[in-house]
Amino acid sequence: AQSVTQLGSHVSVSEGALVLLRCNYSSSVPPYLFWYVQYPNQGLQLLLKYTTGATLVKGINGFEAEFKKSETSFHLTKPSAHMSDAAEYFCAVSRGYIPTFGRGTSLIVHP
Amino acid sequence: EAGVTQFPSHSVIEKGQTVTLRCDPISGHDNLYWYRRVMGKEIKFLLHFVKESKQDESGMPNNRFLAERTGGTYSTLKVQPAELEDSGVYFCASSQDWRQGAQGGYTFGSGTRLTVV
Repeated sequence: AQSVTQLGSHVSVSEGALVLLRCNYSSSVPPYLFWYVQYPNQGLQLLLKYTTGATLVKGINGFEAEFKKSETSFHLTKPSAHMSDAAEYFCAVSRGYIPTFGRGTSLIVHP
Repeated sequence: EAGVTQFPSHSVIEKGQTVTLRCDPISGHDNLYWYRRVMGKEIKFLLHFVKESKQDESGMPNNRFLAERTGGTYSTLKVQPAELEDSGVYFCASSQDWRQGAQGGYTFGSGTRLTVV
């Protein structure tokens, strides 16, 4: 069985500050890992993914995440937060064809 | 290309009533998925259609939920009778094939927020 833990249901940062959203997973075999973002009144959209190869993956809007097998983590970062980054972020893990999602983290960006 | 469309966007019904949610996938996407998020919890898989056939319905909570996809185009999810714990956001997603979906290639709709009072 696989599971995803997102630490912190809400993360608040100032505009221009580092964004760090944490995700830890459990999976018996190397998984596919994803971050999705949901802006208000929109559907989830894929931000970035890790399947194989390079462990540091870059996504849209300046976000990136690093797959650390030894820590079973896939934390999402962005060097400098922008007001438009305010949204809900979901980490997901997949070993089959149906992903398992975390509970989501709401990112709040203060001016 | 049009995205995945869901309606209604919001629905408030009384306990015991029936509600039908609809999802129109992207044209040509054979794979259609339903997910649900209860407030503050994970997004959970409900079921997966390949064309008009139910490929996997292991996530359906109970027999009050009925999903259909007649003709392999749009899909409906009916809840009858609705209970308080059915409240949440119901998402639909589609993908061209299951491999695309497995690698994160879903296109999600914006969801239907269902409130049962």
